[in-house]
Amino acid sequence: EAQVTQNPRYLITVTGKKLTVTCSQNMNHEYMSWYRQDPGLGLRQIYYSMNVEVTDKGDVPEGYKVSRKEKRNFPLILESPSPNQTSLYFCASKFLVNTEAFFGQGTRLTVV
Amino acid sequence: AQSVSQHNHHVILSEAASLELGCNYSYGGTVNLFWYVQYPGQHLQLLLKYFSGDPLVKGIKGFEAEFIKSKFSFNLRKPSVQWSDTAEYFCAVNAHNDYKLSFGAGTTVTVRA
Repeated sequence: EAQVTQNPRYLITVTGKKLTVTCSQNMNHEYMSWYRQDPGLGLRQIYYSMNVEVTDKGDVPEGYKVSRKEKRNFPLILESPSPNQTSLYFCASKFLVNTEAFFGQGTRLTVV
Repeated sequence: AQSVSQHNHHVILSEAASLELGCNYSYGGTVNLFWYVQYPGQHLQLLLKYFSGDPLVKGIKGFEAEFIKSKFSFNLRKPSVQWSDTAEYFCAVNAHNDYKLSFGAGTTVTVRA
């Protein structure tokens, strides 16, 4: 089944403790991206990647890192999480620039 | 950069009522347009998309949307809603040949049985 898989689905952590949210897609898509969803703000793009080893900042990149060492994986790294990064995170992928994006199930992160 | 506005934050309807959700974007060039739906506790799913051609687009679950270029709008409609249409709806836009996808703030739709 074609899908975007994120792990974990839920995560509660403490301020400053490094964490990684994984994202993997099995559709051979070149483009992958991370969004955070906050009430009243919709989805805002954090980082995106157009191919292996090619990443760029989105609208809200502060406090996040990403890497794209393989085509299928695009992990989101929070080196020192803070409470304002408590949010619902979605990974997405798309095949070509003018196609629709497919979304993962989401990761609900709480930083206390 | 494009921005997307959804006019209604929360819409409450009764079953069988008609639904129309507004979406406007700000970008002067060619755009790709999408409506996504997020059912409670689930991920975003594509309802419908527009790339080119007939400006009236039909999607899944009886939804349709009309692209009006002169008004920079892509409004979503459904003639008769069901309780199962309770969800959050997002309009999204990307400029043609641009990977960046911009979302509206979302509209929560509550359908009462």
